[in-house]
Amino acid sequence: NAGVTQTPKFRILKIGQSMTLQCTQDMNHNYMYWYRQDPGMGLKLIYYSVGAGITDKGEVPNGYNVSRSTTEDFPLRLELAAPSQTSVYFCASSYSSGAGQYFGPGTRLTVT
Amino acid sequence: GQQLNQSPQSMFIQEGEDVSMNCTSSSIFNTWLWYKQDPGEGPVLLIALYKAGELTSNGRLTAQFGITRKDSFLNISASIPSDVGIYFCAGLPSGSARQLTFGSGTQLTVLP
Repeated sequence: NAGVTQTPKFRILKIGQSMTLQCTQDMNHNYMYWYRQDPGMGLKLIYYSVGAGITDKGEVPNGYNVSRSTTEDFPLRLELAAPSQTSVYFCASSYSSGAGQYFGPGTRLTVT
Repeated sequence: GQQLNQSPQSMFIQEGEDVSMNCTSSSIFNTWLWYKQDPGEGPVLLIALYKAGELTSNGRLTAQFGITRKDSFLNISASIPSDVGIYFCAGLPSGSARQLTFGSGTQLTVLP
């Protein structure tokens, strides 16, 4: 049982480049989330999904897009990378909105 | 959005000492969760609380869901070096909220 997996673990992007952060969970959870964590700070919600085909904005959605075509996968897309998007990105999943969320190991992204 | 005040921001304690940290809010929460994050890793769920007044233990960790539903406490007894890390509280606000609100974290350092 792998839980929540994320790829890549590290990435360096140039300003204006695009990339997709991958997230997969094998717990059959309906709810999935994307957070960013800046150094020394807490977690900020970017987007979330309550099931396949349904996504919604979180606290800081600008500059990002998501899709949820399957229960297992919830990729996060950066279209035009900016230095302000340098952060650690965490994907999480949960059985329901009130249940504990299980986090992946994170993707460290640097935009220069 | 909802705000969670987590305190203290950081703690330095001697190995063997007990630790206490808390989260408070001006609003009512339906769920309280406590996470631990090790350096370079994703947060790991420690304890989940779903009912006002609930007291739950996980080894040396004990957490309580405040009676007013506006606060929660985490206690760690007989601290050991591997307790070092950042501890986050998170809560699900009452109402139709689907998103957790996270505290800003407590950085715990255990001195030998």
